[in-house]
Order: sequence, then structure tokens, then C-alpha cells
Amino acid sequence: AQKVTQAQTEISVVEKEDVTLDCVYETRDTTYYLFWYKQPPSGELVFLIRRNSFDEQNEISGRYSWNFQKSTSSFNFTITASQVVDSAVYFCALSEAKRVQGAQKLVFGQGTRLTINP
Amino acid sequence: EAGVTQSPTHLIKTRGQQATLRCSPISGHTSVYWYQQALGLGLQFLLWYDEGEERNRGNFPPRFSGRQFPNYSSELNVNALELEDSALYLCASSLEGRSFSGANVLTFGAGSRLTVL
Repeated sequence: AQKVTQAQTEISVVEKEDVTLDCVYETRDTTYYLFWYKQPPSGELVFLIRRNSFDEQNEISGRYSWNFQKSTSSFNFTITASQVVDSAVYFCALSEAKRVQGAQKLVFGQGTRLTINP
Repeated sequence: EAGVTQSPTHLIKTRGQQATLRCSPISGHTSVYWYQQALGLGLQFLLWYDEGEERNRGNFPPRFSGRQFPNYSSELNVNALELEDSALYLCASSLEGRSFSGANVLTFGAGSRLTVL
């Protein structure tokens, strides 16, 4: 069965600090996809990144970076020089790649509430 | 381009009543997903519709049901409401189709907050 664990329930840092959100996943599939979503107070989940299981290259997008390590089944997310606008709940998610009816949905972790204090 | 829209934004019901939530996907998206986000419980998968058919269902009782219309919009019905049904219900859409790919990104709406008193 698929499972995503975000052990950090809440994180609070001061603006401009770097912060890393941890994500550990479990799956028996060799082909899968990992996602990060951001949920600001408005409630709408905003897509941040998708990574497939065959691409272990780390990715950087502005102040955001992602570290995917299959050896440890982790897909961690780092925000550099955090800003107050980064305050939100962040979700890590996992999806199978099967192409059959009744196929898997997106499985989410419990989320990490990140608060950036001015 | 309009995003995923959900209505109503807020809904207050009492125990035993029925609630109907609505979702309009992004134009061109054929798949609609429903998730429940109860306080402190993360997002739990409810239902997946594509091309008018139910493709997959999460671990929820039968009083949670829904349907997808020919224009791909969807509604979620919750019968015999219980207090623990109070949650934010999120709808998402994607271009799944029958060639399901786990790579497809789900685009979410802002949700409907259901409160059961």
C-alpha cells in the first residue's frame, strides 16, 4: 500500500531563515510520481512540483529546491530565505503510474503547517 | 482560463440532513476528484469520476455518493450527515481520461466547507 509521511506537523521560523520540510514515502511500485502542493489560508491547493521515480535530479526553482533520494524514499522540500508569504500548509503526495480502471488516486501526507514570522 | 470552481463556499447543516456540493472542472478536463480534509486528518480521497463514470472510490461509507454530468461537472452528495462529516471538501480536475497516468497534475478548487451541527 502507498503511504506518505510528513513527520513535521508544524514548523515556525523567523523570516529569512532556511527551512526544510521532510517527506518520506512507501510504495511497491517501481514507477511512481511525487508531488508537492501548497495550501495557503484560502484553502486552494497549489501545485508546486512533480517528480517521477526515474528522475533523481534535484530541482531548484527560485528560493525553492527539492531533494529526491530513492535510497531513503524521501522527497524533501527546502525554502531558502523564507518569507512571510511562504506561510501555508505544505503537502507531499504520491501517485502510482498504473493505467487501469480503478487505478490509484493521489495519496497525500498529513501536511506540514509552516509559519514564517516577521 | 477559469480554474476549478466549487459551490457553495460554506454550508451549514444539522445531523441527519443531506448536503450537496458542486464542482466545475477546468475547461477540457474530463476527470474530477473529490477529497475530504477534516481538521487534523489531512486529505482523504473520496471519489474519482471520469467521462461520467465512477473510476475509483475511497474508504468512505455509501452515504457519500456523487455523479458526473455530461459537461464534466460533478456533485458530491452526503446523506444522513454526521458530526464527523464536518470538513473542507476539495474538488480537483485533470486530463486523466481512460489513459490514466499518475503523472497528471490535479488542479484543485478552493473547497466547500461543510459544518454539521
